[in-house]
This record gives sequence, C-alpha cells and structure tokens, in this order.
Amino acid sequence: GIQVEQSPPDLILQEGANSTLRCNFSDSVNNLQWFHQNPWGQLINLFYIPSGTKQNGRLSATTVATERYSLLYISSSQTTDSGVYFCAVSDNQGGKLIFGQGTELSVKP
Amino acid sequence: GAVVSQHPSWVICKSGTSVKIECRSLDFQATTMFWYRQFPKQSLMLMATSNEGSKATYEQGVEKDKFLINHASLTLSTLTVTSAHPEDSSFYICSARGTASSTDTQYFGPGTRLTVL
Repeated sequence: GIQVEQSPPDLILQEGANSTLRCNFSDSVNNLQWFHQNPWGQLINLFYIPSGTKQNGRLSATTVATERYSLLYISSSQTTDSGVYFCAVSDNQGGKLIFGQGTELSVKP
Repeated sequence: GAVVSQHPSWVICKSGTSVKIECRSLDFQATTMFWYRQFPKQSLMLMATSNEGSKATYEQGVEKDKFLINHASLTLSTLTVTSAHPEDSSFYICSARGTASSTDTQYFGPGTRLTVL
C-alpha cells in the first residue's frame, strides 16, 4: 500500500515565525488532505489538494503530484496553530485515507 | 457545512461491558463512513469502512465480532465495542464522505475517548 512520510516530526517555533511542513507519498494518489488536530483531538480540514496550490489566510499548500510530495506553509505563526498536522492520501483502491505520522507543532509566545 | 458529530465525547466503563459510539453527519448525507482509532502520540489507524445499508469492511487485524459497526441510515453510523478490555482504551474517531467517490473530501467527528477500567 501507499506509504506516507511527514517531516519534520516535531517543530518548535516562536510566535510570528514561518514554517514549511512536508508530506512525501510513495505512489500516485487521487486524494490528499491536510488536517490540524487540536489539543482536544478534533481534526480540522485545512486543504483538499491532490494537486496544485491553494491558500487560506496564513496557510497555503502545494502538491506536486508528479514528484509525490505536498507542502504546507504556515506564515506568521500564532500560539493557536499549535497541535499536530497530518497529511492523508488515498489512491484508487477503495478511497481509504492513509495518514502520515504527523508533525507536532508548538508555537511559543 | 459538512459537520460530523460523535456521541459520547468521552466514556469510562468497566472491563467486560459494551460501549456504543454514535457518529452523525448533521448537514449532509454520508454515503460512506469510516472508523479510526488513535493511541496517544500516534497517528490515526483505519478500523473499518461502512457504506449505508451494507456490511462494514474491516481492516486486517481488526476483530469484526469485537467492533460491531452499523450504518443504518445516510446520517448515522454506530460503533459498538463489545466486552471491552483495558487494551481497547483509545480515542475513536469517525469520518463521513458524501459520495462513494474516493476523490471526495472526508469530514471528521470530534472523537470519543474510551477508558476501560
């Protein structure tokens, strides 16, 4: 099955800093989603982005499907951005989402 | 839009009892629902996929007789953990998708934290 690797596993930032999170996947996909899991466990949809570039406020994401990676950019980070960021992908085999191990982000005031 | 709820949000039970968790899509019809479990500091692991009106498809290693899934309507799926034991303690999360297409977005519920004493 598809393998999903996220980097870095942990990231500590000072408030206001920018960051880039990476998601590599081992095969072609037809669905790629980025999520933020807040400290209470709720998974929040950030982007549905199997290819191309999208922006939503301070967040943006780019997926280069031919090279099998996706990037999540966080600009001007805030303490409320803290939590775990997951990338999840699915292929044509049943549409199951396969999750990466996540990047745990901590933004310090 | 695209809100998914779960009930209860947390539950504590004694070993040997059964616990039912509900997952509802509040503002859309969910053709497909998924159940995941997440251990502390780990990623989400898919347990099963359920389509309305048909039997759930379980992932390898997940006991179907222990984790009973029912998807009786287009807005409700239930997960029953039967004869729960302490090793079943985990965070259980459901998600819902409005169509059968694998390219459609999945929306996640807030999760249910199960503690088995």
